[in-house]
Order: sequence, then structure tokens, then C-alpha cells
Amino acid sequence: QVQLVESGGGLVKPGGSLRLSCAASGFTFSDYYMTWIRQAPGKGLEWVSCITDGGDSIYYADSVKGRFTISRDNPKNALYLEMNSLRVEDTAVYYCATENWGTPLHWGRGTLVTVSS
Amino acid sequence: QSALTQPPSASGSPGQSLTISCTGTSSDVGGYNYVSWYQQHPGKAPKLMIYEVSKRPSGVPDRFSGSKSGNTASLTVSGLQAEDEADYYCSSYAGTKRVFGGGTKLTVL
Repeated sequence: QVQLVESGGGLVKPGGSLRLSCAASGFTFSDYYMTWIRQAPGKGLEWVSCITDGGDSIYYADSVKGRFTISRDNPKNALYLEMNSLRVEDTAVYYCATENWGTPLHWGRGTLVTVSS
Repeated sequence: QSALTQPPSASGSPGQSLTISCTGTSSDVGGYNYVSWYQQHPGKAPKLMIYEVSKRPSGVPDRFSGSKSGNTASLTVSGLQAEDEADYYCSSYAGTKRVFGGGTKLTVL
């Protein structure tokens, strides 16, 4: 069955950097678009970024454009999110998910990123 | 991209039917038949309940149904059960973006 496991979250100071990873298994990773979605504590869901199956096209939410970089390694069945110039408002649980036509399908359990001094 | 508009809360008694709306624009909900709905229980990851406006993934009870008219999508839960109490989010494809609603807390009285 589809399994997505996020890692790399933690506590970081404003202005700092963090790299999230998402390990995929149970499906043909290279067949799917992949997406990152976040949820601030007690708040709703916010789409962050997505990458096409081959990695040739990438899209970002305006709130993270220029600061976050999504990438994937298909042979390693892995998705990444490099986060730079982190702000307090980036504090959230970050989920990775498979995607089809803009629809997040299968979700991981998430990893918590806390940006605080 | 602005968030889709959902009512913050909805409630109903067991056995009743309830509909949650999700209003967007012609650039998202109205422009594509790629609206989805998610159920989220506290401390859990969201679960896909409806995709492509009205399709149900395997394993989702047929008490859950979706529809769309113009720029507004709707999720209907029939025969409310206690386990349906959760947060519900709509989402839409929007070309190079994806957008979520603010969420609706469904309470089963």
C-alpha cells in the first residue's frame, strides 16, 4: 500500500534553513506528481508546492516562492523541500502527498517545523 | 491565490443530512472539475473523501457525495454518524496553483 513518511522537521530560528524529506513506498513513485501541503497549529491546510512526475515543472505558492525549493529523486523514491529564510509564520506540520490533476491523493503523517527564536 | 470560502462550522443530529459549501472563482472551482474534499480528525492527516467533484475513493461510504454548480462546490453527508465529526476541507486545481478552503468543523449533536 502507499506509504509516505516525512522527516527533517524540528526547531529552527527565524532566518534559518531546514530540509524536509519524504520517503515513498508501495507505488511507482516516478508515475506521480508530488506535492507539499502545510498546516499551521490550529489552522487550515495550505498548499505549498508541487513537482511533476519527471521533475521538469515546479510550482510554488506565493507565500514561499523564492525561499523554498522542491525537488525529487526518482531512483531513491524521495521528495524534498529545501526551506530557506524561514519565518515564524512558516511554523506548521508539513505533509507530502501524491497528486493527480491537482488533487492530493495519499498523504503522509507530516513533520512539524517550528520557527522560533 | 485566495483561499476557497467554507462556513467555519456546521452541525446536525445523527441520521440527518448536512451540506457544506465551498465557494471559489472561475479560476479554480468554476474553471475545472478537479474539486476534492478531505476529512481530518484531530491529530491525524487529512483523508481524501471526494475527488473530481463527485467521485468517491474506494472505501469511502456512499453517505458522502459531492457536487458543483458554477463557482460553488458542495459536500453532502447523509445519515450523519458520530464518527463523521471532524474538520472538512475542500480543495481545487487552479492551473499552476492549488487552493484549499478554510475548513468546516462538523459537529454531530
